[in-house]
Amino acid sequence: EPEVTQTPSHQVTQMGQEVILRCVPISNHLYFYWYRQILGQKVEFLVSFYNNEISEKSEIFDDQFSVERPDGSNFTLKIRSTKLEDSAMYFCASSQLGSNQPQHFGDGTRLSIL
Amino acid sequence: SQELEQSPQSLIVQEGKNLTINCTSSKTLYGLYWYKQKYGEGLIFLMMLQKGGEEKSHEKITAKLDEKKQQSSLHITASQPSHAGIYLCGADTGNQFYFGTGTSLTVIP
Repeated sequence: EPEVTQTPSHQVTQMGQEVILRCVPISNHLYFYWYRQILGQKVEFLVSFYNNEISEKSEIFDDQFSVERPDGSNFTLKIRSTKLEDSAMYFCASSQLGSNQPQHFGDGTRLSIL
Repeated sequence: SQELEQSPQSLIVQEGKNLTINCTSSKTLYGLYWYKQKYGEGLIFLMMLQKGGEEKSHEKITAKLDEKKQQSSLHITASQPSHAGIYLCGADTGNQFYFGTGTSLTVIP
């Protein structure tokens, strides 16, 4: 069964450094998403992406964050200048076109900011 | 914003027992999703409910959406250790997707 893959599984970065998290969505999916989950807290929506542009973003997704689909397969989340509070599990998801299509999630990237 | 409250927060059951997890929304739900998360892993899609009164089953897991579309329940029959994990309900508001607070399930062999 096709799946969403995320790399790396764990990223350790110094505070203030830029980090790029990578995702390969399911090939025939057209909607892409990023979520984060701070340890012990809820899974929180960050951003959705469709047709090469951001569809929606939450308050968390400030100017420090950006997303990109650099080629036909990858979907990336960049954090420009990381802060300690960016430490979290980041999940990528994708879904097919159409309303109420379930999102399929990757296994996540654990980001640790030192 | 959409608020999804789950109860209980955690549940410990003996293998073979039945259990129910509830998800209550602050607004009418237009689509309710159930996911399962194992520690350190991603979310696995279980079921999606759209219509009031709808009920779906997959293996030993049954999910229902009430007629008013503000509450959903997930019922596991004859629980097994493989059912252990965190169960999350989620709702799509059309622009953002919200998850519930999660229910941690432990099944004791």
